[in-house]
Amino acid sequence: GENVEQHPSTLSVQEGDSAVIKCTYSDSASNYFPWYKQELGKGPQLIIDIRSNVGEKKDQRIAVTLNKTAKHFSLHITETQPEDSAVYFCAASIRGAQKLVFGQGTRLTINP
Amino acid sequence: DTGVSQNPRHKITKRGQNVTFRCDPISEHNRLYWYRQTLGQGPEFLTYFQNEAQLEKSRLLSDRFSAERPKGSFSTLEIQRTEQGDSAMYLCASSLATGAPTVFGAGTRLSVL
Repeated sequence: GENVEQHPSTLSVQEGDSAVIKCTYSDSASNYFPWYKQELGKGPQLIIDIRSNVGEKKDQRIAVTLNKTAKHFSLHITETQPEDSAVYFCAASIRGAQKLVFGQGTRLTINP
Repeated sequence: DTGVSQNPRHKITKRGQNVTFRCDPISEHNRLYWYRQTLGQGPEFLTYFQNEAQLEKSRLLSDRFSAERPKGSFSTLEIQRTEQGDSAMYLCASSLATGAPTVFGAGTRLSVL
């Protein structure tokens, strides 16, 4: 089945700097890649997603890139702010399947 | 409708007791999912409903676990004879269609003593 690896497990950056989180997936049939942000005591919140027919997608300070050949995708957060501190999860979904397979998560800390 | 609603938010129970959680998805979403999340890990898929039909179950869902969605609206997840290893956050999610964004609820945190 699908397996998603996420790195790093923890990331600390200065406020205003950029943060990058990387994920790799194993099943070439995966075609949908969402990113979720989870704050303490809350459920995961979808922040951006990308489909396999697109190489890059941007939404204000957040962008996601996808390399289908290498089977990896990345989350980029620019001009980080304290409220960006949270745990971020990548996920992948195989074409036609219903479930999401999640990475292990990255705890992002923004230092003021 | 403001999102996926889960009740209770927290449940503490003694080993061997039965527990039941409820999920109310976004009203127009016909797909409903249950995931389990343990500390420091990503959510793991448990089961999926399309309307009232349970179409997929993970191997993680032992015989002690049962999920229902009787009228294609809310869903319940029951755990019988709870074990300490069942302690986790149980997340419910819903989506409008295959490949549509999946929206998660806040979860029910279960602690088995």
